[in-house]
Amino acid sequence: DVKVTQSSRYLVKRTGEKVFLECVQDMDHENMFWYRQDPGLGLRLIYFSYDVKMKEKGDIPEGYSVSREKKERFSLILESASTNQTSMYLCASSPGQLYGYTFGSGTRLTVV
Amino acid sequence: GDSVTQMEGPVTLSEEAFLTINCTYTATGYPSLFWYVQYPGEGLQLLLKATKADDKGSNKGFEATYRKETTSFHLEKGSVQVSDSAVYFCALRTSNTGKLIFGQGTTLQVKP
Repeated sequence: DVKVTQSSRYLVKRTGEKVFLECVQDMDHENMFWYRQDPGLGLRLIYFSYDVKMKEKGDIPEGYSVSREKKERFSLILESASTNQTSMYLCASSPGQLYGYTFGSGTRLTVV
Repeated sequence: GDSVTQMEGPVTLSEEAFLTINCTYTATGYPSLFWYVQYPGEGLQLLLKATKADDKGSNKGFEATYRKETTSFHLEKGSVQVSDSAVYFCALRTSNTGKLIFGQGTTLQVKP
């Protein structure tokens, strides 16, 4: 089975901190994605990547950046964390465009 | 643009009741369709999928049939269990964008 691993289940950070959320997949998937999930707003796509060193903005990229230096790792960066970035963050990967995604277990980030 | 509409929840059923969660979609091209399940505190898991019209996806007693004429992919289960309590997401993916488009999710509560 494909495994997508997010480095932390729970994180608490202070306003203004730079925050790194790490995601690693072990099945050589081309595509990787970052979503955030909030009550009443569903899943919203932040950034995605179809290949190493490639990145594309999703629906809500403001306040975030990403890095994909290696195929298996896709990092989400909050440049200066704010309280409105408190959320559940979900990483996913996929082998190709008509396949489903495999999700990690999520990181619940609280910014205080 | 592409979109997915799910019936609003929560859906509350007694154990062994029949389940239907409605899902309709709008898409250009020929989407692949998916149902994901999210248990409390977890990431999303792929439940089943269908990649072309009239395909039936099935898993763990759940079924859904890809109906192109009605642009629907309703999720059904003949006899639900308390352990099926979760949030269910319908989703589509097309080669046009390559992104997975999610519905808002439907919460299912099964009472003993």
